[in-house]
Amino acid sequence: GAGVSQTPSNKVTEKGKYVELRCDPISGHTALYWYRQSLGQGPEFLIYFQGTGAADDSGLPNDRFFAVRPEGSVSTLKIQRTERGDSAVYLCASSPETSWGGRWNEQFFGPGTRLTVL
Amino acid sequence: AQKVTQAQTEISVVEKEDVTLDCVYETRDTTYYLFWYKQPPSGELVFLIRRNSFDEQNEISGRYSWNFQKSTSSFNFTITASQVVDSAVYFCALSDAYSSASKIIFGSGTRLSIRP
Repeated sequence: GAGVSQTPSNKVTEKGKYVELRCDPISGHTALYWYRQSLGQGPEFLIYFQGTGAADDSGLPNDRFFAVRPEGSVSTLKIQRTERGDSAVYLCASSPETSWGGRWNEQFFGPGTRLTVL
Repeated sequence: AQKVTQAQTEISVVEKEDVTLDCVYETRDTTYYLFWYKQPPSGELVFLIRRNSFDEQNEISGRYSWNFQKSTSSFNFTITASQVVDSAVYFCALSDAYSSASKIIFGSGTRLSIRP
């Protein structure tokens, strides 16, 4: 079946602009995660959704970053007033359900969106 | 706080050599998961292995093997008889087994280059 898809694959924008990055999770997956991977680093957690609600947004770096998942499927990561330091690959992952109580549900990663802020 | 350290930034070996990628982790949790992922030049993250903190048995899968030692908080990865296709960035990672968030904490990665 189809995996996690992310659009666009590449996004180039100018400093100060607003961008939206989209994630289509695997059908039926209730848990959705966003990670950010800066050059030469490992992915860093940003936010996690269980259904429509953001269960943990502790990784969002500041209030310029916001994410939604209005119908519990597709999610959009929104970045306002982009800065050069926001340049990174943004990865989305989905999981059949939340990992909880010692039971792990595998996170399936998408190909990422490479964001470049000039 | 949880942390994963991959001290080897880059490793380069000649094909057919064995190579070990080191991983040291920190966590206050008594139950957790450890992972290895591969990120080839194409960029996608490829899951390789997951181990539960209760299970310290070493694991072998073809040319890949993993050594989990709780006493030293290490989870090292060995590739035997390396091949050019093994060239990639490898990430070691950690996650709390009981948190409802279950976010994955990644190390900074080791770039492995296999020379023909």
